[in-house]
Amino acid sequence: DGGITQSPKYLFRKEGQNVTLSCEQNLNHDAMYWYRQDPGQGLRLIYYSQIVNDFQKGDIAEGYSVSREKKESFPLTVTSAQKNPTAFYLCASSLRDSAPNTQYFGPGTRLTVL
Amino acid sequence: EDQVTQSPEALRLQEGESSSLNCSYTVSGLRGLFWYRQDPGKGPEFLFTLYSAGEEKEKERLKATLTKKESFLHITAPKPEDSATYLCAVQAFSGGSNYKLTFGKGTLLTVNP
Repeated sequence: DGGITQSPKYLFRKEGQNVTLSCEQNLNHDAMYWYRQDPGQGLRLIYYSQIVNDFQKGDIAEGYSVSREKKESFPLTVTSAQKNPTAFYLCASSLRDSAPNTQYFGPGTRLTVL
Repeated sequence: EDQVTQSPEALRLQEGESSSLNCSYTVSGLRGLFWYRQDPGKGPEFLFTLYSAGEEKEKERLKATLTKKESFLHITAPKPEDSATYLCAVQAFSGGSNYKLTFGKGTLLTVNP
């Protein structure tokens, strides 16, 4: 059963801590994305990766870091430099170089700063 | 800069009362327009992709249409289970490999029995 999994579903962070959100897909997609969703705002792109060992900053990359060591995995680290990390984080994946390029989303991780 | 505006922000319907949601967009070159459904606390669920003016797609009680400036999501005889937030997003030809989606803020649809 193909899909995208994100873990954990809920995550609590103390001030000054780094936390890592997991995203795994078994759709054999090359491209993966991280978005942030805040109440009353549209989803905003944090980072994206088209191939293994390569990734690019999106619109709001400050305070975040990623890695892409495997095709199936694209973890996101929220660092202590992110001033307002409380949000709903969504991972997505898609085929590469298709037009249009449809992205499929995981179930999300809700991060709360204590 | 690509922009997407969805209206209304919220819509309340009676079961069986058909209506439409609007998505107005400005984009340099449209690669695709996407509709998603999002239930509370869940990730967006893909509904439709449209990419040329005049195109229409249907799925059960939903039909999406596209013009050069806007898209409509028509809901025919809705049921309470259609209650959700509907998101519209556009993807532009940017000349690179950034397949970024620009999202609207969504329309919260509530269907009362």
